[in-house]
Amino acid sequence: DGGITQSPKYLFRKEGQNVTLSCEQNLNHDAMYWYRQDPGQGLRLIYYSQIVNDFQKGDIAEGYSVSREKKESFPLTVTSAQKNPTAFYLCASSRTTGGGNSPDHFGNGTRLTVT
Amino acid sequence: SQKIEQNSEALNIQEGKTATLTCNYTNYSPAYLQWYRQDPGRGPVFLLLIRENEKEKRKERLKVTFDTTLKQSLFHITASQPADSATYLCALRNSGNTPLVFGKGTRLSVIA
Repeated sequence: DGGITQSPKYLFRKEGQNVTLSCEQNLNHDAMYWYRQDPGQGLRLIYYSQIVNDFQKGDIAEGYSVSREKKESFPLTVTSAQKNPTAFYLCASSRTTGGGNSPDHFGNGTRLTVT
Repeated sequence: SQKIEQNSEALNIQEGKTATLTCNYTNYSPAYLQWYRQDPGRGPVFLLLIRENEKEKRKERLKVTFDTTLKQSLFHITASQPADSATYLCALRNSGNTPLVFGKGTRLSVIA
């Protein structure tokens, strides 16, 4: 079955440590996205990538970094510079052909807790 | 500034009734509007997509309308069931390959 895999489901870190969240897709999608979701909030875009070796900042990129070395993989690093890193992180992918006329596919998220 | 508003944070309805959820947007010209379902602790799951030149789309018990003049989409679930209880998210996309922009969602509870 094709889909998006995020790991781990739960992650605990101490303040001041960097942490990397994994996102892998086998849908052959060109575009991949990282969102953050806080209680009572919608999804807010952190970073996105429309092609390998290229990515753009979203609305809340500060304190985060990404890489896109392979089409299938789009890891997100939450750095110690992120002021409020505790959140639910969602990865998504979509086709880029067709100009947006297809749905996005989401992973089941990673819940990060920083203490 | 661009804004997407979903009418209520929470909506409670009786089983068997039709649930109607609203998505309004301002300062935005979406080419595509999508609705997703999200269960607690899970990622959103795609339900329906409607294009700017379409008025209505249906899929089984689901119906979505898109009024670009009113800048509004309505999402209906007919003959609602307790299993329909979830958070429903409205999302917009410009033409091209821009990222989706999401509303905050409406938490629907269907009471037996």
